[in-house]
Amino acid sequence: RKEVEQDPGPFNVPEGATVAFNCTYSNSASQSFFWYRQDCRKEPKLLMSVYSSGNEDGRFTAQLNRASQYISLLIRDSKLSDSATYLCVVNGRGDTGRRALTFGSGTRLQVQP
Amino acid sequence: DVKVTQSSRYLVKRTGEKVFLECVQDMDHENMFWYRQDPGLGLRLIYFSYDVKMKEKGDIPEGYSVSREKKERFSLILESASTNQTSMYLCASSDYLLDEQYFGPGTRLTVT
Repeated sequence: RKEVEQDPGPFNVPEGATVAFNCTYSNSASQSFFWYRQDCRKEPKLLMSVYSSGNEDGRFTAQLNRASQYISLLIRDSKLSDSATYLCVVNGRGDTGRRALTFGSGTRLQVQP
Repeated sequence: DVKVTQSSRYLVKRTGEKVFLECVQDMDHENMFWYRQDPGLGLRLIYFSYDVKMKEKGDIPEGYSVSREKKERFSLILESASTNQTSMYLCASSDYLLDEQYFGPGTRLTVT
């Protein structure tokens, strides 16, 4: 089983739609959770951290369910510029105590006019 | 602003060559990482370093080595390049106390 699992998509949605991505992780000791965004042929960039209480940044809302080991990202009012691959990321190496992250393979979003 | 730079955007090498990929960060971060990214496999950690001259193996260290002589610089070395090392290589850094990683633009390496 992969440490971090995501639906690869693609999710094809019209502009203005609301879209949600989910992610599950296997390491119950994970303490930090993130969503990264990666544009085609570019490096991943931090989109937002995910906190236990849930958090919002403009049109983006992230939620964490520790009991189910599940993270979600909701994008409201999708824009063409939201088209990218979204990577679910957890710190998966609690046994070494080091700050290494485990990345999901990503979910591709294509927003259409 | 956080900045991570990598020595080359594109590199073409022959099988058996020794390859050096360099990464420099200007945020005074303690932690630095090397990943490779392949279609369908996502980012896989090769090596990371949490201090000068310190290193730890990641998930796929075979065929690679690293060097960190200065805090801001982390080098990835392919001792004898092989075609299965054709990939996108991404360097990242993070602060000792925080997990957020910041990436360089990547080096697309082709081994022929």
